[in-house]
Amino acid sequence: ELKVEQNPLFLSMQEGKNYTIYCNYSTTSDRLYWYRQDPGKSLESLFVLLSNGAVKQEGRLMASLDTKARLSTLHITAAVHDLSATYFCAVDMVWAAGNQFYFGTGTSLTVIP
Amino acid sequence: DTEVTQTPKHLVMGMTNKKSLKCEQHMGHRAMYWYKQKAKKPPELMFVYSYEKLSINESVPSRFSPECPNSSLLNLHLHALQPEDSALYLCASSQDPTGTSTDTQYFGPGTRLTVL
Repeated sequence: ELKVEQNPLFLSMQEGKNYTIYCNYSTTSDRLYWYRQDPGKSLESLFVLLSNGAVKQEGRLMASLDTKARLSTLHITAAVHDLSATYFCAVDMVWAAGNQFYFGTGTSLTVIP
Repeated sequence: DTEVTQTPKHLVMGMTNKKSLKCEQHMGHRAMYWYKQKAKKPPELMFVYSYEKLSINESVPSRFSPECPNSSLLNLHLHALQPEDSALYLCASSQDPTGTSTDTQYFGPGTRLTVL
């Protein structure tokens, strides 16, 4: 069974600080996705990482993928309050019946002014 | 247009009711998904439709019945639900169910379901 774990589960950080969220997964996959979810809302796609060494950046967020280590990171630079949300990584596995996302446990981020 | 729409936004139903959730996308995607999400938990996959055929059923109780009338629409029929079925139900779609596409899944806004 594929397991996708994130840490930390909860993160409280001050504005202006940097931090990294980690996503580990238990089996080989070359495709890793990051989503953001605001309370009571749906999931918003942030990054699609498709190969080993892939790095994507958007604003204060940067995501990377190391398929050999089965690890993805989401780095937050100079956090602002608007980044407060829950962040999920998801690993894409392709089966005969189709592809299936396995979501990580989620990281609830609170940025304190 | 990368929008997936869902109706209704909120639904309150009794355990003896029959109701349906609806999902629609016009992106030409050939895979559509139903997820269930409890508070502070990740989405849990329920069903996958691939080219309008049910391809993955994650051992969901029969009181949930999916239907894919055409490539743009996905329904979830609800009957005799239990209070523990209260959750946010999310619909998603992606371009290619075979997994050869590298596209992400696009999620709808969800239906907040409360079972009394």
